[in-house]
Amino acid sequence: GQQVMQIPQYQHVQEGEDFTTYCNSSTTLSNIQWYKQRPGGHPVFLIQLVKSGEVKKQKRLTFQFGEAKKNSSLHITATQTTDVGTYFCAGSDSSYKLIFGSGTRLLVRP
Amino acid sequence: NAGVTQTPKFRVLKTGQSMTLLCAQDMNHEYMYWYRQDPGMGLRLIHYSVGEGTTAKGEVPDGYNVSRLKKQNFLLGLESAAPSQTSVYFCASSYRMSGQPQHFGDGTRLSIL
Repeated sequence: GQQVMQIPQYQHVQEGEDFTTYCNSSTTLSNIQWYKQRPGGHPVFLIQLVKSGEVKKQKRLTFQFGEAKKNSSLHITATQTTDVGTYFCAGSDSSYKLIFGSGTRLLVRP
Repeated sequence: NAGVTQTPKFRVLKTGQSMTLLCAQDMNHEYMYWYRQDPGMGLRLIHYSVGEGTTAKGEVPDGYNVSRLKKQNFLLGLESAAPSQTSVYFCASSYRMSGQPQHFGDGTRLSIL
């Protein structure tokens, strides 16, 4: 079945440093979504990418969808303590169900 | 603006006991989902529903049952709880299955002793 791998599992950065998490799927995706989960909270939708090679930005966050629609990345520029949390990618293939990656936990040292 | 509401928020069960987790959404969404979240494993789909009166199995359905008698409610049942079912359970809903964001409840932390 479809698998979505996400790396790294953890990332500990100094405030102001950049952060990137990568997502890879075993199958071609119709779209990919990104979610953020604050410690003790629930996943919150950030963005969806649909087109091959698509790049979207939300302030300091940049999301990319690979040309083959099998990988994606989230890059945060100049991290802040408010960025702390776990970032999940979730891919949808022809079955339409979302398959979540295992998440990348971001810790930010002030 | 309640969104997705889950009850209870916390529960401790003994092995073999049964219980039902309740999920209610007020966004008139057709699709509803139950996930479990375990450390290092992300969110895994247990069961889902594409509309009132329908249910389907997800990735890890064994040991769970669900019912969607009303559009706004999705119930998750554990008939005979096992320690392996200790987890955080999230309910979510969406307007469509693909291409639409899922809205999550606050979760239920369940411990099976």
